Amino acid sequence: GENVEQHPSTLSVQEGDSAVIKCTYSDSASNYFPWYKQELGKGPQLIIDIRSNVGEKKDQRIAVTLNKTAKHFSLHITETQPEDSAVYFCAAARYNTDKLIFGTGTRLQVFP
Amino acid sequence: ETGVTQTPRHLVMGMTNKKSLKCEQHLGHNAMYWYKQSAKKPLELMFVYSLEERVENNSVPSRFSPECPNSSHLFLHLHTLQPEDSALYLCASSQEWGNNEQFFGPGTRLTVL
Repeated sequence: GENVEQHPSTLSVQEGDSAVIKCTYSDSASNYFPWYKQELGKGPQLIIDIRSNVGEKKDQRIAVTLNKTAKHFSLHITETQPEDSAVYFCAAARYNTDKLIFGTGTRLQVFP
Repeated sequence: ETGVTQTPRHLVMGMTNKKSLKCEQHLGHNAMYWYKQSAKKPLELMFVYSLEERVENNSVPSRFSPECPNSSHLFLHLHTLQPEDSALYLCASSQEWGNNEQFFGPGTRLTVL
């Protein structure tokens, strides 16, 4: 069946450094790729998403890149801050479907 | 806040109990979802409702019974659960069924003894 692999499972960085999380998907028909941030005691919150007609999207300190040929996409966080510490989930879906296939999550810790 | 609320936030129940989880969305959305989040596993989609009609049921055991009385409210009725059902149960909503952007509630942490 369809699946999404996410790496690394944990990531520790120093405040101000960059963090990169990578995901690989199996369904070549996927064309919607959201990233969610989940803080302790809260549900996942959408932070950025990308559709397959673009290769990169940026929103302030976060960016997502997509390589459809290789079937992988990545989340980049620059100038990390302690409040970026959370679990990040990638997902993939075919457009106009409700079936988001999630990765297993990356626990990011940003040390001051 | 995302506009999706869930109650209770924590629930402990025995295997013979019957309980219900409640979700309410204040976003005017037409589609609502139940997910199960277990440690070290991807989020699992359980049920999807669009305009109060169930449109997807992902092979979920019958001890989980969803109910959607209107487009703003979603319930998950629990009966004769197993310890392996202990997890965080998340509710989400989206503008329309098939619109990928989903907004999640804070979840109910369920423990089955």
